[in-house]
Amino acid sequence: QVTLKESGPGILQPSHTLSLTCSFSGFSLSTYGMGVSWIRQPSGKGLEWLASIWWNGNTYNNPSLKSRLTVSKDTSNNQAFLKVTSVDTADTATYYCAHTRLPYVMDAWGQGASVTVSS
Amino acid sequence: DTVLTQSPALAVSPGERVSISCRASEGVNSYMHWYQQKPGQQPKLLIYKASNLASGVPARFSGSGSGTDFTLTIDPVEADDTATYFCQQSWNDPTFGSGTKLEIK
Repeated sequence: QVTLKESGPGILQPSHTLSLTCSFSGFSLSTYGMGVSWIRQPSGKGLEWLASIWWNGNTYNNPSLKSRLTVSKDTSNNQAFLKVTSVDTADTATYYCAHTRLPYVMDAWGQGASVTVSS
Repeated sequence: DTVLTQSPALAVSPGERVSISCRASEGVNSYMHWYQQKPGQQPKLLIYKASNLASGVPARFSGSGSGTDFTLTIDPVEADDTATYFCQQSWNDPTFGSGTKLEIK
């Protein structure tokens, strides 16, 4: 059974860097075809794909946010990470990580981490 | 970006058949997937690659389409199907539709 859980700061100030961790079980990020994606959802709004990291270390970012995003993984500890630099209020959202298999099918999601950007 | 267009809302009665549409701004082959999101919960995969039922999803759900026009069908609808349904394409960088909110009368 695949499970994922996001963790983060809850609240942070504008211009700071958001760091999120996705801790997962039931799969390995070193197995061919496995990936973890990050998706966010402002309250009452739609879903936005942010980035994905794959078993081979390849990463892909949403072009609209590309320069602000960094994804990484710790295969040994079954974790994936997302950093978002220079946050502002528009980055306030629930952030999800999802188990992803080719071709970008997100077949298991974490419960989400609420992030508020406020001074 | 590949833009996905969905109707904002639908209302149907239990036992009826409902079709939820998703139109892509460009062809996405069969690389369209559908998710259900109930209030306060994370999204759940229903259909992948246009017509493949995800594990554990009731056979009342089905998907069809290719190219630019896709449909998620629920037949028959149950009260528990109250949710927002999102389509997502992966032919290009992943994008999601804005969601269709389904109300069961």
